[in-house]
Amino acid sequence: AQKVTQAQTEISVVEKEDVTLDCVYETRDTTYYLFWYKQPPSGELVFLIRRNSFDEQNEISGRYSWNFQKSTSSFNFTITASQVVDSAVYFCALCEDSSYKLIFGSGTRLLVRP
Amino acid sequence: DAGVIQSPRHEVTEMGQEVTLRCKPISGHDYLFWYRQTMMRGLELLIYFNNNVPIDDSGMPEDRFSAKMPNASFSTLKIQPSEPRDSAVYFCASSRTGGIDEQFFGPGTRLTVL
Repeated sequence: AQKVTQAQTEISVVEKEDVTLDCVYETRDTTYYLFWYKQPPSGELVFLIRRNSFDEQNEISGRYSWNFQKSTSSFNFTITASQVVDSAVYFCALCEDSSYKLIFGSGTRLLVRP
Repeated sequence: DAGVIQSPRHEVTEMGQEVTLRCKPISGHDYLFWYRQTMMRGLELLIYFNNNVPIDDSGMPEDRFSAKMPNASFSTLKIQPSEPRDSAVYFCASSRTGGIDEQFFGPGTRLTVL
């Protein structure tokens, strides 16, 4: 069965610090997709990134970067030089190619203090 | 495009009443998903449709919950009768190619059952 674990319930940092959000997943499929979504205080869910299981290249988008390691079943998310606007709940999610269902982790609440 | 539209944004009702939540997906998206978010259970997939046909409703908690998609631009999630434990935020999302693709979420409906 597929499962996503986000062990960090809440993280608090001071603005401009770097912060890494951990995500560990479980799946029996060889083809699967990993996602990160952001849920700001306003409540909507915003897509950040999607990776497939055959692409282990790390990705960088501005201050955001993602590290995908199949060997440890992890898909970690790093925010460099955090800003107050980064305060949100961040969800990691997994979709197996065989199920087409997106399974979310429990989320990590990030608080960036000025 | 206007994005995924949900109505109402807030609903307060009394236990035993029927509640109907509505969703208009993004035009051209073949998949529609209904999720529920609570503090205790996080984000859960309730049901999803492909081309207006329900594909997987294994996440629907009880027979009190039902969902329909009469056409490509409209879906409803109905709870009858409602109970206080149904209080949650209900999200609708749509995508082009199912769970393996980026899902676009609506703003959610915050349901409170007294």
